[in-house]
Amino acid sequence: GDSVTQMEGPVTLSEEAFLTINCTYTATGYPSLFWYVQYPGEGLQLLLKATKADDKGSNKGFEATYRKETTSFHLEKGSVQVSDSAVYFCALMYSGGGADGLTFGKGTHLIIQP
Amino acid sequence: EAGVAQSPRYKIIEKRQSVAFWCNPISGHATLYWYQQILGQGPKLLIQFQNNGVVDDSQLPKDRFSAERLKGVDSTLKIQPAKLEDSAVYLCASRRTAGRAEQYFGPGTRLTVT
Repeated sequence: GDSVTQMEGPVTLSEEAFLTINCTYTATGYPSLFWYVQYPGEGLQLLLKATKADDKGSNKGFEATYRKETTSFHLEKGSVQVSDSAVYFCALMYSGGGADGLTFGKGTHLIIQP
Repeated sequence: EAGVAQSPRYKIIEKRQSVAFWCNPISGHATLYWYQQILGQGPKLLIQFQNNGVVDDSQLPKDRFSAERLKGVDSTLKIQPAKLEDSAVYLCASRRTAGRAEQYFGPGTRLTVT
């Protein structure tokens, strides 16, 4: 079945460091890909998405590119801030045919130190 | 626009008791999802509704879990009887149907089974 694999956390970085969180997926078709973020004490929020190969999603300085050849959707940010500390989830979803629930990875806990 | 509402926010029960969770989706959202998020894992889809019909319940443990969506708006998820392994956060999400529209998540209900 479909699955999403993320790098294990926690990931601890200093403020202004470069961030990469790896995400790879296994899917039988051509899913849409998402990054969701969960800040402490808050619900899941969509961070960015890409719906087809070579699409780049971006938001709040974060970027991720849908790489079909490597089945990857790595999250990057050039300079992280303390406020980026959160749990990040990579997910995939199929559209069409009705059933389109999200399949999530286990999440990566990011800690940014001042 | 009001977000997805869930209640209660927290619930503690003993094993073998029953429990129910309520979700009110964003107005006009035809599609509603219930997810289970066990500590340290990503959310897992339990059931998807389109209006008041079930689209996907393949991962719902039907011997103890049930869900309904009366009149295509509010939804209730029930566990009867609860087991220790049901301790988790239960998330409700909704989205407009058509296309690859974003899923919006509620704050979740944290269930502890003792």
